[in-house]
Amino acid sequence: NAGVTQTPKFRVLKTGQSMTLLCAQDMNHEYMYWYRQDPGMGLRLIHYSVGEGTTAKGEVPDGYNVSRLKKQNFLLGLESAAPSQTSVYFCASSLLADTQYFGPGTRLTVL
Amino acid sequence: AQKITQTQPGMFVQEKEAVTLDCTYDTSDPSYGLFWYKQPSSGEMIFLIYQGSYDQQNATEGRYSLNFQKARKSANLVISASQLGDSAMYFCAMRDFSGNTPLVFGKGTRLSVIA
Repeated sequence: NAGVTQTPKFRVLKTGQSMTLLCAQDMNHEYMYWYRQDPGMGLRLIHYSVGEGTTAKGEVPDGYNVSRLKKQNFLLGLESAAPSQTSVYFCASSLLADTQYFGPGTRLTVL
Repeated sequence: AQKITQTQPGMFVQEKEAVTLDCTYDTSDPSYGLFWYKQPSSGEMIFLIYQGSYDQQNATEGRYSLNFQKARKSANLVISASQLGDSAMYFCAMRDFSGNTPLVFGKGTRLSVIA
């Protein structure tokens, strides 16, 4: 039982490049989330999903897209990376609207 | 809209002493949940404790307890007998249970435990 895993752990991009972050959970959770964490800002919700095939916008969705084609996976895409997207990205999941369990994070740098 | 406020950017505590980390919240929903997470320097987010708005008793988990004062809209985390390994960032969070509103986090408090 791995819980929540994230791939990759680190990534460096050039401005304008695209990439996809993968989140996987093996707890059969319905809800999944993507957050970004910046110094002094706490965690801010980017997008979330309340079930397979559903997605919804969070607090800071601009510049990101997501997909939840399978219940256990939640993908976060950056189509054209910008330096402002340099951050640590966390994925989380929860059974329903209850305790969220987090992945280890992905450190992304956009040059 | 939900809002979480953590007014202490940083705190120091002597090893073996107790410490209280403050958290106030604002919501118009009568049904909600309050959460505390710990983030050590390694970066992972660790769930510590949960309190539901209708829970009669304050939540406790080992050395962690939540001092829930509903009328004051506060949900302070109390850590008893602090250990060096408690040094970390601590985040308070809440979610309303009406609809599918996600968690809202405070900006965190950095706790440093001194030997």
